[in-house]
Amino acid sequence: SYVLTQPPSVSVAPGKTARITCGGNNIGSKSVHWYQQKAGQAPVLVIYYDSDRPSGIPERFSGSNSGNTATLIISRVEAGHEADYYCQVWDSSREHVIFGGGTKLTVL
Amino acid sequence: QLLLQESGPGLVKPSETLSLTCTVSGGSISSRSYYWGWIRQPPGKGLEWIGSMFYSGSSYYNPSLKSRVTISLDTSKNQFSLKLTSVTAADTAVYYCARVISGSTNWFDPWGQGTLVTVSS
Repeated sequence: SYVLTQPPSVSVAPGKTARITCGGNNIGSKSVHWYQQKAGQAPVLVIYYDSDRPSGIPERFSGSNSGNTATLIISRVEAGHEADYYCQVWDSSREHVIFGGGTKLTVL
Repeated sequence: QLLLQESGPGLVKPSETLSLTCTVSGGSISSRSYYWGWIRQPPGKGLEWIGSMFYSGSSYYNPSLKSRVTISLDTSKNQFSLKLTSVTAADTAVYYCARVISGSTNWFDPWGQGTLVTVSS
């Protein structure tokens, strides 16, 4: 079955740019969606269709997807961005939703 | 604004059936634009998709859970439900309901706040 691989943790200094990767075989051929989950809260969609932002999500959140890696990019990181981030795809061949294992973003 | 709220027992005994309901407000589950889905998260672990259903009855289930899962919709109450049979401690998790935006792909937005279900005797 299709597997999405995320680094368990990413650390970044305030004001810098965080890049969280999501690896999968030819993931560039799929649409990738990203969720932010703060401690004790439900996940929130922050990016869909690789790079589109839902209404209410700041422009500092962006995404890219090519080859075997999709990336969530958070610019000008601040303490409020500390959270777990999950990537997700739809495996159309198996009609199956797949989540990555999640990445904990720590703001130093 | 679409809101989803999970409800159901917080404690289920092993081998019994877990039953949860998601009440949707601010929109209709009969919409032809969306599926409705369930996702769970064991304590301290990642997200696991359970299944999704369209108002017409079309559905998709996680193959690893398919034999034990039923999702149903009650359009008269604007609710959808999850039943998971023969539960074990491994089914202990926070269970989320969500609207599924479906097309060439599927994503979840918004999510309910989640409800913790513990499987224990």
